[in-house]
Order: sequence, then C-alpha cells, then structure tokens
Amino acid sequence: DGGITQSPKYLFRKEGQNVTLSCEQNLNHDAMYWYRQDPGQGLRLIYYSQIVNDFQKGDIAEGYSVSREKKESFPLTVTSAQKNPTAFYLCASSTTGEQPQHFGDGTRLSIL
Amino acid sequence: EDQVTQSPEALRLQEGESSSLNCSYTVSGLRGLFWYRQDPGKGPEFLFTLYSAGEEKEKERLKATLTKKESFLHITAPKPEDSATYLCAVQQWQTGNQFYFGTGTSLTVIP
Repeated sequence: DGGITQSPKYLFRKEGQNVTLSCEQNLNHDAMYWYRQDPGQGLRLIYYSQIVNDFQKGDIAEGYSVSREKKESFPLTVTSAQKNPTAFYLCASSTTGEQPQHFGDGTRLSIL
Repeated sequence: EDQVTQSPEALRLQEGESSSLNCSYTVSGLRGLFWYRQDPGKGPEFLFTLYSAGEEKEKERLKATLTKKESFLHITAPKPEDSATYLCAVQQWQTGNQFYFGTGTSLTVIP
C-alpha cells in the first residue's frame, strides 16, 4: 500500500541534543511538508519542499533543518536551538496543483 | 491575521443529532479547500476537496459545501465512530503549494 511512514512514533530529546525525525513516502509525490501541531493550535508549517534538493522555510523554521536528497525522503532535524521542541510532528506529501495532502501518523517529541 | 477560522472549537452531539461545522476563510484567490478528519495520536485523514462556490461533496454521513467566504461540514445522524477532530485547510493561488490550516473542531458523539 502506498503511504507515508514516519518514525519513530515517540522520541525523547536531551538538553543540547539534535534529533532527526524520519519521513518516507512511496506515493511518488513531488511535494513534501513538515508541520508542528500543539494543543489548541492549528498545524504550523516548518519547512516544505517541492522538488529534490530544494526546500523553503515555513512560518516556524527557526531551530529546525531539513534535507531533500531523494524524492521519497524528507527528514527533519530538531536542533538544540529549538527551545520548545515538545510537540506532535506531522509529515505530509502531495502532488503539485490543487491536490490534497496525505499525512503520516506523526512523531511525538518530548524533552527528557 | 488568521486566514482560516473554524467553529465551534468543540461540539458534543447525541447519536443521531445532526449538526454543522463551520470553516471561514479570508484568503483571496482560493485554489482549494480541504477537509480532514484526525483521530487522537494519528495524522489527518483526507475527506473532501472543494474548488468553487456552490460545490458540494458527500461521503456517508458527511456533506461538505462551499461559499465564497466559508465552508460547512454537515453531519447527518452521527454515530459515536464519527467522534474526531475535523480540520479545514485552504490553498491559495498566490502561495502555490502551501496549505493554511484552521485549529479544528473536536466532535464528540454520545451514544
């Protein structure tokens, strides 16, 4: 079955540590996205990529970094510069044009 | 300024009690409006896309409609399994492939 796989499901970060969240899709979608979801807030865009080797900052990119070396993969690194990383992180993908996004099942990141 | 506003924030219904969820938007040049369902601890699941005012889409007990300023998700005779958070998102021509999400409506259907 085609879909988006996020791993791990739960992740814990120590102070000063960088952690990387994985996102893989086999839908052959060009565009991929990372969102952060906090209680009572809508999904906020961190980064998105419309093509391999190119990506753009979203509304809350500070403290995060991404890469897009392969069409199928869009990992997100939460750096130590992100002072409030505790949240539910969602990865999504879509074809170009007026098509909906498809989401993975998220990674919940917590601070130790 | 918020581009997508959903109301109410939370809604409790008795099983079989029909109601509507609202999504109002202020973007100009609407490219598409999308409805999603999200269960706790899961990613959003796509329900409908609407592109132009007057358009309607239906799926089981759900029906989505669109005007120039807002969209409604009508739930007819809901069942407990319809309990979830319903999210609305819009895409506008000026920003290409970016999507703007509302904060969602948390629906609880009581048996």
